[in-house]
Amino acid sequence: SQQGEEDPQALSIQEGENATMNCSYKTSINNLQWYRQNSGRGLVHLILIRSNEREKHSGRLRVTLDTSKKSSSLLITASRAADTASYFCATDEGSNYKLTFGKGTLLTVNP
Amino acid sequence: DTGVSQDPRHKITKRGQNVTFRCDPISEHNRLYWYRQTLGQGPEFLTYFQNEAQLEKSRLLSDRFSAERPKGSFSTLEIQRTEQGDSAMYLCASSPTGAVAEAFFGQGTRLTVV
Repeated sequence: SQQGEEDPQALSIQEGENATMNCSYKTSINNLQWYRQNSGRGLVHLILIRSNEREKHSGRLRVTLDTSKKSSSLLITASRAADTASYFCATDEGSNYKLTFGKGTLLTVNP
Repeated sequence: DTGVSQDPRHKITKRGQNVTFRCDPISEHNRLYWYRQTLGQGPEFLTYFQNEAQLEKSRLLSDRFSAERPKGSFSTLEIQRTEQGDSAMYLCASSPTGAVAEAFFGQGTRLTVV
């Protein structure tokens, strides 16, 4: 079963704009991770935020985590056409470090 | 070693046939996972290996599914008597030992049962 939901399900923006995706989950977690998936391909790890962290940056990515609301957000700044992909949040609930994924947000960046 | 490798990339099979997929993880990674992903959904956990030991299986893994990881290296996932509902992308991931570790995914095997 899937842990939570990403919001929105689909997002279309122009190159150069910022994109924000949200993720909600249901249970206590050890950490939350964001992955990107290009159409029909495998997943690529973007960033990991631990349960005791509130914000993390990596290049053009900014992730926030609010454990009291069981939610996270991923911000991609100055988007590029190459950022077009599906983005998934995944939670590690501690059992064998397996990941529980949401349904993803399909981001389209128009040139 | 450039990453997790899966073979084949695509498989079309007739209903009722058996299929086997292979995953070669990153060589120093002890943990290996199989996930299944259907269209429009996120990946769902199937099974987990720590070295050669299969430590967890999802309820999604019916008795038609079996996975092995002999000698703690590559892994195989076999589906017997395939059904149309088995059509999906099968993803393999590996990660190093450690309390907090990202997963490295292969490109997946897309199975179509006709």
